[in-house]
Amino acid sequence: EVQLVESGGGLVQPGRSLRLSCVASGFTFSDYGMNWFRQAPGKGLEWISYISSSSGTIYYADTVKGRFTISRDNARNTLYLQLSSLRSEDTALYYCGRRGITPGFWFSYWGQGTLVTVSS
Amino acid sequence: DIVMTQSPSSLAVSAGETVTINCKSSQSLLSRVNHKNYLAWYQQKPGQSPKLLIYLTSTRESGVPDRFIGSGSGTDFTLTISSVQAEDLADYYCQQHYGFPLTFGSGTKLEIK
Repeated sequence: EVQLVESGGGLVQPGRSLRLSCVASGFTFSDYGMNWFRQAPGKGLEWISYISSSSGTIYYADTVKGRFTISRDNARNTLYLQLSSLRSEDTALYYCGRRGITPGFWFSYWGQGTLVTVSS
Repeated sequence: DIVMTQSPSSLAVSAGETVTINCKSSQSLLSRVNHKNYLAWYQQKPGQSPKLLIYLTSTRESGVPDRFIGSGSGTDFTLTISSVQAEDLADYYCQQHYGFPLTFGSGTKLEIK
């Protein structure tokens, strides 16, 4: 069974940093590209970053480009998101996600999310 | 960036009715390579993570009931839920998977009368 478990969220002051993790199990992690999404309280879904299986291709949404860094450790089956220069508008539930078996950028598997609250 | 516009933002129906949710993209999602439209639909129940319902406009994810039907082409797409059930209470989102940045519609809240 595919499982994605996020962690690392919490309360952080504006301008500070935080690192989120997503531990994967139930599949060969190194075979799949991975993504981060977020959902502000009471708002819709936002894709924020993609990393290919070998880390050779990375994309970011404009809202986080230059402030967030996606990475992965295939030996540890773990996806990361380094959040820097945090703003109040970054307050959200952060999800990691993976496609299904068929190649494409739709997402069959989601974690339960980790909550980041940016506030002084 | 491709902007996804969803309508309505909310609707309330009685169990057994048919629901239609619309999604319009700011540019065509039709691939010239394989002639497929790159549009997905998700369901998000209260307090839960999103669940994939449909991808490539009309392909149902494994295990999704056949009362969920996706259709459309180019820039105009529809999710139809026939014979709505109480368990369908949720927010529904469209997402273009044509290119990066991937973008979602703003969501449709479905309430059951």
